[in-house]
Amino acid sequence: EPEVTQTPSHQVTQMGQEVILRCVPISNHLYFYWYRQILGQKVEFLVSFYNNEISEKSEIFDDQFSVERPDGSNFTLKIRSTKLEDSAMYFCASSEDGALSGANVLTFGAGSRLTVL
Amino acid sequence: GESVGLHLPTLSVQEGDNSIINCAYSNSASDYFIWYKQESGKGPQFIIDIRSNMDKRQGQRVTVLLNKTVKHLSLQIAATQPGDSAVYFCAEAPYDKVIFGPGTSLSVIP
Repeated sequence: EPEVTQTPSHQVTQMGQEVILRCVPISNHLYFYWYRQILGQKVEFLVSFYNNEISEKSEIFDDQFSVERPDGSNFTLKIRSTKLEDSAMYFCASSEDGALSGANVLTFGAGSRLTVL
Repeated sequence: GESVGLHLPTLSVQEGDNSIINCAYSNSASDYFIWYKQESGKGPQFIIDIRSNMDKRQGQRVTVLLNKTVKHLSLQIAATQPGDSAVYFCAEAPYDKVIFGPGTSLSVIP
């Protein structure tokens, strides 16, 4: 079964450092998403991406965050200068169609755990 | 060390019993709803969805009920099994994104 893969599975970084989280969405999917989950809390929407541009972003996704699809397979989330409160699990997701299209909409990766010290 | 997050509502059920997990959503514009299951250390996994023009949808051992009048969703799991132990999130899709609810932790007692 096709899956979304994320790397690294766990990254530890110092406050103020830049971090890049990588995702390989399912190959025929066109919509890409990043979510984050602070320990024990709900899954929060960060950003959606379609046709090489951001289609929607949340208040969390401030100027410190950026996304990119540098080639035909990878989808990355960059945090320019990490803060302690950026510590969370970051999930990438992809879908064949947009969020309103139908069943099995979002397929999530296993997540990248970011720890900021 | 890491701080402790918010305490999730917890539902404990005996193996073989039926489980009902409830969820209130907030956005009247939402016309598509999804239930996700998250096992420890994994990403959310799709279980079942429902559109706003329906009030009930059944899958394998799972049923989702939608009450738009009171903006309420429920997930029913029949004959709950130990493998059903996980955190369950309802999600709504207003516009072109999926917004998750706070989650309920289901614990199955063998």
